[in-house]
Amino acid sequence: NAGVTQTPKFQVLKTGQSMTLQCAQDMNHEYMSWYRQDPGMGLRLIHYSVGAGITDQGEVPNGYNVSRSTTEDFPLRLLSAAPSQTSVYFCASSRTPTGGKGQPQHFGDGTRLSIL
Amino acid sequence: DQQVKQNSPSLSVQEGRISILNCDYTNSMFDYFLWYKKYPAEGPTFLISISSIKDKNEDGRFTVFLNKSAKHLSLHIVPSQPGDSAVYFCAAVGGTSYGKLTFGQGTILTVHP
Repeated sequence: NAGVTQTPKFQVLKTGQSMTLQCAQDMNHEYMSWYRQDPGMGLRLIHYSVGAGITDQGEVPNGYNVSRSTTEDFPLRLLSAAPSQTSVYFCASSRTPTGGKGQPQHFGDGTRLSIL
Repeated sequence: DQQVKQNSPSLSVQEGRISILNCDYTNSMFDYFLWYKKYPAEGPTFLISISSIKDKNEDGRFTVFLNKSAKHLSLHIVPSQPGDSAVYFCAAVGGTSYGKLTFGQGTILTVHP
């Protein structure tokens, strides 16, 4: 099992460029989410999805777009890259939303993004 | 406003001794807490969790304690091993936010041989 796979692992962009960070999971998990990790701030939720066709905003959604057309894939789009979006991005998935009797989230290995 | 705080950026312990990592939270709606471990260039890996109906949960060398009145949890690692050297994040969910983890800033644990 590959688990949660993120591509690319590294990317350098220029301000104003757009790009898509890919995330795929092979565990048939309904719940998927995107976080960004910045120094001194832990991980912060960008967007999440409770199933195919359903997405919603997290704590820091501005400048990002998501869609969920299949259970397996949850891409994150940067519409017009800004230096403030330089970060490490993590995708995560779980069978059910974490909490109560829900499952812990499994994380991919991240995409390190630098915006010049 | 940081709802989950790990006030110690780093911790250094000797192999074989106990490591204690601390986490404080402010949101009284949080009712489920998790610890993740993260190695460089890898994603966070789930370690252990605790529900607010319990005050302790053990898994091998790892024990998490929850003090709801103080809004405080801690992770104990006994005995500590050099392979435990990593960044440890605590996270919380609750109320209407199931699935939406709120993370602390992380604590870098270094275990010396």
